Amino acid sequence: SQQGEEDPQALSIQEGENATMNCSYKTSINNLQWYRQNSGRGLVHLILIRSNEREKHSGRLRVTLDTSKKSSSLLITASRAADTASYFCATDAQGNNRLAFGKGNQVVVIP
Amino acid sequence: GAGVSQTPSNKVTEKGKYVELRCDPISGHTALYWYRQSLGQGPEFLIYFQGTGAADDSGLPNDRFFAVRPEGSVSTLKIQRTERGDSAVYLCASSSGQGPDTQYFGPGTRLTVL
Repeated sequence: SQQGEEDPQALSIQEGENATMNCSYKTSINNLQWYRQNSGRGLVHLILIRSNEREKHSGRLRVTLDTSKKSSSLLITASRAADTASYFCATDAQGNNRLAFGKGNQVVVIP
Repeated sequence: GAGVSQTPSNKVTEKGKYVELRCDPISGHTALYWYRQSLGQGPEFLIYFQGTGAADDSGLPNDRFFAVRPEGSVSTLKIQRTERGDSAVYLCASSSGQGPDTQYFGPGTRLTVL
């Protein structure tokens, strides 16, 4: 069964704006990862945040993790048309290497 | 360096036929994973290999699905007596098998069962 569960919304924003999406999960995790997928094919790994971390940055990406609320957020700053994609969070339950993915968030950045 | 590769990229078959999907992981990665993604959904875990052995095959939906990794590198996912409901994108991923592990995905094989 899937743990990660993004807010099931499609975002449509103007280039240059920030995009925020959220993910919630149900059980204890070892880490949480965010992936991007273009055109329904291969997933590109964006960022991994461990259960003992609260915030992590990578370029224009900012990820937060709140283990007390079992939730995470992904912020993309200064969005670009090339950021148009589906974004998935995936959790790795402790002692387990199988990733549980949410349904994904479709983000459209309008040039 | 080369990433995870999967062949074929597309496979169309008829109901009841047998198919094999191949995955070449990143060189040196000991862990290999298969996922299945239906339209509009996130990937769902199928099976995980550590080396040659299946460490966790609890995601395989039924006994028509089988996967092997005989030499600890390339893996083949085999589906017998395919059904229309098997149509999906089959994704393979590999990781180093150490620590908090980033999984690197291949481009997937789109399987269509007519």
